[in-house]
Amino acid sequence: DQQVKQNSPSLSVQEGRISILNCDYTNSMFDYFLWYKKYPAEGPTFLISISSIKDKNEDGRFTVFLNKSAKHLSLHIVPSQPGDSAVYFCAASSNSNSGYALNFGKGTSLLVTP
Amino acid sequence: KAGVTQTPRYLIKTRGQQVTLSCSPISGHRSVSWYQQTPGQGLQFLFEYFSETQRNKGNFPGRFSGRQFSNSRSEMNVSTLELGDSALYLCASSLGQGRPYYNSPLHFGNGTRLTVT
Repeated sequence: DQQVKQNSPSLSVQEGRISILNCDYTNSMFDYFLWYKKYPAEGPTFLISISSIKDKNEDGRFTVFLNKSAKHLSLHIVPSQPGDSAVYFCAASSNSNSGYALNFGKGTSLLVTP
Repeated sequence: KAGVTQTPRYLIKTRGQQVTLSCSPISGHRSVSWYQQTPGQGLQFLFEYFSETQRNKGNFPGRFSGRQFSNSRSEMNVSTLELGDSALYLCASSLGQGRPYYNSPLHFGNGTRLTVT
């Protein structure tokens, strides 16, 4: 059963505009969330994370928002650049040894057009 | 610091054969995890090892197994290969202690692309 869902398989955004990638989760034990970015033929690379005690975390052009009551998080990229074109994965973890088994969504393929 | 290294990068096997994939984690990392990526399925967790012990296991058949050595290097084995095992197999490492990934995110290698014919 998919506990982390990314319902948009793909997203196309113009360069300079905002990209918003969404993620929903079902397990209320999840308390730490990570976003990864993946280019073809490479492994995923860590982008940004957020703890459940926060509702927002920023790192440069990337901001992650968490709405615990809705079990929803989103990644905002502003401004979007062509180099941001990649597959983005949302992942969730819980605070226990089983939390080392990260639960990933199926990914959203972002295309940023010039 | 060297990243996570996986060998080989590409592998072609025939149905029924077995295969062993290798992973060297980042120096100092004691946790090694394996994930399978197939089109449309995202990253599915296979198993995680910490200090040579399997600490977590995903929902995969027993044909998938792994081990970790005292130097934290890990191997994954798939026996009696099926066509559906064709995938990108990703190894990842982390410190493995404390709150999961809180101070140290999971770091991935570039994967082994396995094709079963």
